[in-house]
Amino acid sequence: AQSVSQHNHHVILSEAASLELGCNYSYGGTVNLFWYVQYPGQHLQLLLKYFSGDPLVKGIKGFEAEFIKSKFSFNLRKPSVQWSDTAEYFCAVNAGGYNKLIFGAGTRLAVHP
Amino acid sequence: GAVVSQHPSRVICKSGTSVKIECRSLDFQATTMFWYRQFPKQSLMLMATSNEGSKATYEQGVEKDKFLINHASLTLSTLTVTSAHPEDSSFYICSARVTRETGELFFGEGSRLTVL
Repeated sequence: AQSVSQHNHHVILSEAASLELGCNYSYGGTVNLFWYVQYPGQHLQLLLKYFSGDPLVKGIKGFEAEFIKSKFSFNLRKPSVQWSDTAEYFCAVNAGGYNKLIFGAGTRLAVHP
Repeated sequence: GAVVSQHPSRVICKSGTSVKIECRSLDFQATTMFWYRQFPKQSLMLMATSNEGSKATYEQGVEKDKFLINHASLTLSTLTVTSAHPEDSSFYICSARVTRETGELFFGEGSRLTVL
């Protein structure tokens, strides 16, 4: 069965620090990959997505993610975080022909001023 | 992006009563909607896939007689929690898919159910 692993459950950073959140999935075929963000008190929003093509994907608010097929990974990065990036981040995978998104456990990011 | 709306956002009910939560796609037609449940500080757990005009597909371990799902039109799916108990208290989130190929979901605001 498909699964998604997010290695960091809780990350605490200071403003301007660099961020990398890990995401690995278990599926050998074609995948569509997503990162969603949930700001405090708000609903889930799409941060970025990968379907095909350039494995380095740029999303909103300066976030990017790199799909490394050989490592089954889709790590999220941001070179310099801001206090407003405090939120919970979810990695999700839709395997080719599979009817639903599978979510990772989420990573709670706290950015201190 | 596409807009998905959920109602109510918060509901409090007594144990033993039933509660209905609505999920609407406002600016697109959704043949498939998904219902998730989110426990505090945990990820989203897929409960069921709601298909317009047909029966919902439930995930393993989800009681279909307790969580009734109806998808009567291309823009509306409803989740009814029947004979609710305190352990059913949770955050319920619906989502809709615009295209099957990409699997990208748009999420509603969520509905927080508290059963007393």
